[in-house]
Amino acid sequence: DAGVTQSPTHLIKTRGQQVTLRCSPKSGHDTVSWYQQALGQGPQFIFQYYEEEERQRGNFPDRFSGHQFPNYSSELNVNALLLGDSALYLCASSLLRTRYGTEAFFGQGTRLTVV
Amino acid sequence: ILNVEQSPQSLHVQEGDSTNFTCSFPSSNFYALHWYRWETAKSPEALFVMTLNGDEKKKGRISATLNTKEGYSYLYIKGSQPEDSATYLCAFMGTGNQFYFGTGTSLTVIP
Repeated sequence: DAGVTQSPTHLIKTRGQQVTLRCSPKSGHDTVSWYQQALGQGPQFIFQYYEEEERQRGNFPDRFSGHQFPNYSSELNVNALLLGDSALYLCASSLLRTRYGTEAFFGQGTRLTVV
Repeated sequence: ILNVEQSPQSLHVQEGDSTNFTCSFPSSNFYALHWYRWETAKSPEALFVMTLNGDEKKKGRISATLNTKEGYSYLYIKGSQPEDSATYLCAFMGTGNQFYFGTGTSLTVIP
């Protein structure tokens, strides 16, 4: 049973460019959440997708957008990259409809460096 | 913005020492509290999911307690080993299945 997979693992982009990160959730999970972890900080919630719709969004600008596909996989897109977007981007998958908080499973992350 | 605080930020202990750290979170709209263990270059791994006030969970030498009324959880490691070296993250879950993470406690166990 494959866990959460993210691609690519590392990426270097130039300021102003656009980037797409990908995530395949754990088998059986229907919800994908994206987090940004800057150096020295805990993961910050970007947004969450369920049934191909953005269900919740954190405090991130519109340059950050996403998509969820019918197979539950997800993409995170960042436009007009800034140096401050350099971070580890984590994808977490979970099941939405559980009585209590179900544990989330994380991918290994994509390390994005903007130069 | 919801604050989840962890202390200390980092910790160095000798092999064999027992240690503990704290996660503080809002006491209202509580749904669950998760603890994750995150080793360098690996994915965060779930340790515990805690939902009820007074919960105590244990996995080997690691245990955790939960106080939802005052908004804190403790993680204990008994007889620390070098392989326990990692960052320990707590995450508060309110309604909506959204996690609010703390900044983590980085533990280094010195052989």
